Amino acid sequence: KQEVTQIPAALSVPEGENLVLNCSFTDSAIYNLQWFRQDPGKGLTSLLLIQSSQREQTSGRLNASLDKSSGRSTLYIAASQPGDSATYLCAAPADRGSTLGRLYFGRGTQLTVWP
Amino acid sequence: GAVVSQHPSRVICKSGTSVKIECRSLDFQATTMFWYRQFPKQSLMLMATSNEGSKATYEQGVEKDKFLINHASLTLSTLTVTSAHPEDSSFYICSAGDWNSPLHFGNGTRLTVT
Repeated sequence: KQEVTQIPAALSVPEGENLVLNCSFTDSAIYNLQWFRQDPGKGLTSLLLIQSSQREQTSGRLNASLDKSSGRSTLYIAASQPGDSATYLCAAPADRGSTLGRLYFGRGTQLTVWP
Repeated sequence: GAVVSQHPSRVICKSGTSVKIECRSLDFQATTMFWYRQFPKQSLMLMATSNEGSKATYEQGVEKDKFLINHASLTLSTLTVTSAHPEDSSFYICSAGDWNSPLHFGNGTRLTVT
């Protein structure tokens, strides 16, 4: 069974810092890995989807990398802003080889960026 | 705008009653929908996969008779929590997708059972 772990559980930084959030997964036979953002009491917003054939994906100030062999992914946030404050979730497919389907989530990293 | 609509956003019910939560895909047809549950400070836990026109597939440990799922059309799946108890109080979130589109998540339903 796929298990997803995220560290740190919480992070509090001043505005402008560059951040690295870590995600590890146990079953490396995945088609993709996703990063989401969740605001308090809200649903999820998809940030980045990395296919297994890719090593990284970029969107604006966000960059996510994937290393299947080591079972790790990192989310890099450049020049953090207070508006980035949220919980960031990493998710891997539960199904071996699934391209779209059941997701197993990590517990998330709760990020606070203060002005 | 939101492509997956979930209703209601909040519901409070008495112990022993049933509650229905709706998940709608607004501008695409969703052959598959997924239901998750999130307890405070915990991650999202996959409950079941809802397939249009067929029975839902439940994850291990999820009671199918307690959490009834119906996916009667390509745009609507419903989750009914039957005979709710306080321990069922949680945040329920659905996601919807098709094999040609990425997953989209609803805004969730906060269920409180008193």
